[in-house]
Amino acid sequence: QVQLVQSGAEVKKPGASVKVSCKASGYTFTDFDVNWVRQAPGQGLEWMGWMSALSGNTDYAQKFQGRVTLTRDTSISTAYMELSSLRSEDTAVYYCARKPYYYDDSGYYSWFDPWGQGTLVTVSS
Amino acid sequence: DIQMTQSPSSLSASVGDRVTITCRASQNIDRFLNWYQHKPGKAPDVLIYAASTLEPGVPSRFSGSGSGTLFTLTISSLQPEDFATYYCQQSHGAPYTFGQGTKLEIK
Repeated sequence: QVQLVQSGAEVKKPGASVKVSCKASGYTFTDFDVNWVRQAPGQGLEWMGWMSALSGNTDYAQKFQGRVTLTRDTSISTAYMELSSLRSEDTAVYYCARKPYYYDDSGYYSWFDPWGQGTLVTVSS
Repeated sequence: DIQMTQSPSSLSASVGDRVTITCRASQNIDRFLNWYQHKPGKAPDVLIYAASTLEPGVPSRFSGSGSGTLFTLTISSLQPEDFATYYCQQSHGAPYTFGQGTKLEIK
């Protein structure tokens, strides 16, 4: 079945960087974009950015521009999210998600499915 | 950026109740609107995409409607497993913004 499996929880100090992996299985990795979403404690879902698994092209939410880097290794069907200059407000569960899509006369429809299981990143001194 | 606003932010209901959650977009997004269910400690699951298309495997008690700037998610008869937080998300264009969520609790 289609599945995304993320790396384990991380504890980092302020100012450090974290790199979370997202391994895809059950489908052709390069056929779909991968998106990253985070949820801080007690907060809602926040979109961070997307990456084309085929070309490596990326687009980031303005809030994270300059601090987030999305990459992939197609040989092992894995996407990565690296967030630098960590601060306490970056403590959150980070999710990757595949982006299926279809076209019709109205345009290009897409959604996130499935999602990885989430990776808790804790930033604390 | 397109802002998504859900109402209510929280809702108490009983098993068997009919529940409706509303999502409003800050600009016209046609039918580029998705709904997700999120339970604590689990990954979100898509329920509906393109405003009204039910994801395969999702029970038919869930339905979505709307276009333009106003959308609704309806659960026709609440089941115990439906108590969760629900999010709308626009897919009109990046950034793919989410609503703030609606927490559905047991009365």
